[in-house]
Amino acid sequence: DTEVTQTPKHLVMGMTNKKSLKCEQHMGHRAMYWYKQKAKKPPELMFVYSYEKLSINESVPSRFSPECPNSSLLNLHLHALQPEDSALYLCASSHGTRTGEAFFGQGTRLTVV
Amino acid sequence: EDQVTQSPEALRLQEGESSSLNCSYTVSGLRGLFWYRQDPGKGPEFLFTLYSAGEEKEKERLKATLTKKESFLHITAPKPEDSATYLCAVQVRGGATNKLIFGTGTLLAVQP
Repeated sequence: DTEVTQTPKHLVMGMTNKKSLKCEQHMGHRAMYWYKQKAKKPPELMFVYSYEKLSINESVPSRFSPECPNSSLLNLHLHALQPEDSALYLCASSHGTRTGEAFFGQGTRLTVV
Repeated sequence: EDQVTQSPEALRLQEGESSSLNCSYTVSGLRGLFWYRQDPGKGPEFLFTLYSAGEEKEKERLKATLTKKESFLHITAPKPEDSATYLCAVQVRGGATNKLIFGTGTLLAVQP
């Protein structure tokens, strides 16, 4: 089973709203990631969690707040977003924290109005 | 600076017309190279991992190869269902944590 599950699949939010994206994997992977992907562009790394600790923050604005409650779950809390934050948000996980392929979820299509 | 470049940006093939996609990389030290397939509005689907020059991997109509400077994804007798964006990503030595650098992708369209 190489499944990474993301919810919701679609989200529309206003600029004053607070919402959360959720990601779950049951493969025993110890690294989890958030990526942002704009149309016709490759995924861009936002955050990496390694053994439930934040190990990489790619200078992401504070209106995006990641959380890793346990080794299977990853959240991305959203607050005061801008229309330009509209994108496909992808969660991924990998077995190792230094090597190995990453498996992606199907993404959350976020629209900020 | 570590860089990954894919070519062509877009490729249109007739069903059954074999071709190759290219991924060239300039990195300080390659730990691994990965190929993904991505359908519109979906997350990337893992295809292959290559670790060392000379390595080859195959899956159905797809074959991935690796040299010291580039990787090729060969598509033999493609079908319309092979239409997708193909992404390559590299993982660089020296990093404490798994971090992928993606190329910009090749959009493949296979016409019946």
